[in-house]
Amino acid sequence: RKEVEQDPGPFNVPEGATVAFNCTYSNSASQSFFWYRQDCRKEPKLLMSVYSSGNEDGRFTAQLNRASQYISLLIRDSKLSDSATYLCVVASGNFNKFYFGSGTKLNVKP
Amino acid sequence: DAGVTQSPTHLIKTRGQHVTLRCSPISGHKSVSWYQQVLGQGPQFIFQYYEKEERGRGNFPDRFSARQFPNYSSELNVNALLLGDSALYLCASSLGREVLETQYFGPGTRLLVL
Repeated sequence: RKEVEQDPGPFNVPEGATVAFNCTYSNSASQSFFWYRQDCRKEPKLLMSVYSSGNEDGRFTAQLNRASQYISLLIRDSKLSDSATYLCVVASGNFNKFYFGSGTKLNVKP
Repeated sequence: DAGVTQSPTHLIKTRGQHVTLRCSPISGHKSVSWYQQVLGQGPQFIFQYYEKEERGRGNFPDRFSARQFPNYSSELNVNALLLGDSALYLCASSLGREVLETQYFGPGTRLLVL
């Protein structure tokens, strides 16, 4: 079983739509959680950390459910510039070893 | 401020050769991690170094090795290259060993093995 699983998509949505991505993880001892964004042929860049209480950054909201080992990302009012692959990351161990999901591709259409 | 830098940006090798990839972390960061990303997949953890010592190793064969230098820069070495080693190799740096700490990625080295 993979450490982190994501729906690969692609999610094709119109501008202005709300879209949600989900991610599950297998290690209940995981300690920290992130969403990264990766544009085509570029490196991953941190979008936001995910906290147990949930957190919001503008149009982006991240939620963590430790009991179900589930992480979500909600994007409201999608922009063309949101088109990218979104990577779910779960970290565990003394040295915060990162485990990536395979990524969910989002295409925002005009 | 300079981010994570990696060299070279692109590399073409043939099967059986070896390759050395280099990474310089963000100034002040003491931890460097290496990842392999094949097309269509998320990055896979290869190694993590902190204070010049290996702190973690992913499920990669012994053909893969790495080291970290006193200035915290790092090298990833791959021997006896296989076609399947073709990938984007990413280096990430972080301050150290704290939980909840994020990692910052370099632009990567694209390796093509023919």
